[in-house]
Amino acid sequence: DAMVIQNPRYQVTQFGKPVTLSCSQTLNHNVMYWYQQKSSQAPKLLFHYYDKDFNNEADTPDNFQSRRPNTSFCFLDIRSPGLGDAAMYLCATSGGGFRDSVVFPYNEQFFGPGTRLTVL
Amino acid sequence: QQPVQSPQAVILREGEDAVINCSSSKALYSVHWYRQKHGEAPVFLMILLKGGEQKGHEKISASFNEKKQQSSLYLTASQLSYSGTYFCGTEPERGSTLGRLYFGRGTQLTVWP
Repeated sequence: DAMVIQNPRYQVTQFGKPVTLSCSQTLNHNVMYWYQQKSSQAPKLLFHYYDKDFNNEADTPDNFQSRRPNTSFCFLDIRSPGLGDAAMYLCATSGGGFRDSVVFPYNEQFFGPGTRLTVL
Repeated sequence: QQPVQSPQAVILREGEDAVINCSSSKALYSVHWYRQKHGEAPVFLMILLKGGEQKGHEKISASFNEKKQQSSLYLTASQLSYSGTYFCGTEPERGSTLGRLYFGRGTQLTVWP
């Protein structure tokens, strides 16, 4: 089945120790998103890619970086995790979008199961 | 640009109805609705595009009034499986990038037998 896969499902890291979360998709979607979700809060968009075009949210800390080496994979790097970065990290994909004044067919976002990050 | 959802929480008996509202201060192109169960990823329910349409999914339907910048999710004859947190995600009017959604804080729905 086509799906969005996140690894690992649970990640424990130490304060300040870099960590990388991965997301892969078999949906061949051109848009990939990274969200941070803290307990009882809405998912907060960190950044998203349209193909290789990177879109950073203005309030995403510099501590968070992302890479998308190809259509299928996207990585979230947290360079120096702090206690406040403990959260669920959700990857999502979407097909279509809007580019160069042309509206493509627009679809829902498909979420992966998430990676729960604990910072000690 | 975060939309406002109301109510924050709803408790129902099986078979009862509920309405969840989502309103934005910005002109909208689309509204998404998702349901998230505890410890799981959000699951898509439906999209409503600009045009005032109403959609249905089993006994869950929604409406979108773009003039009022509001959407409502209607759950009829609720089932135990409807329990979870419902999020609306709003997409600002075209001019912004590619399917970027702003999620509301969520409405926690609990259905009791």
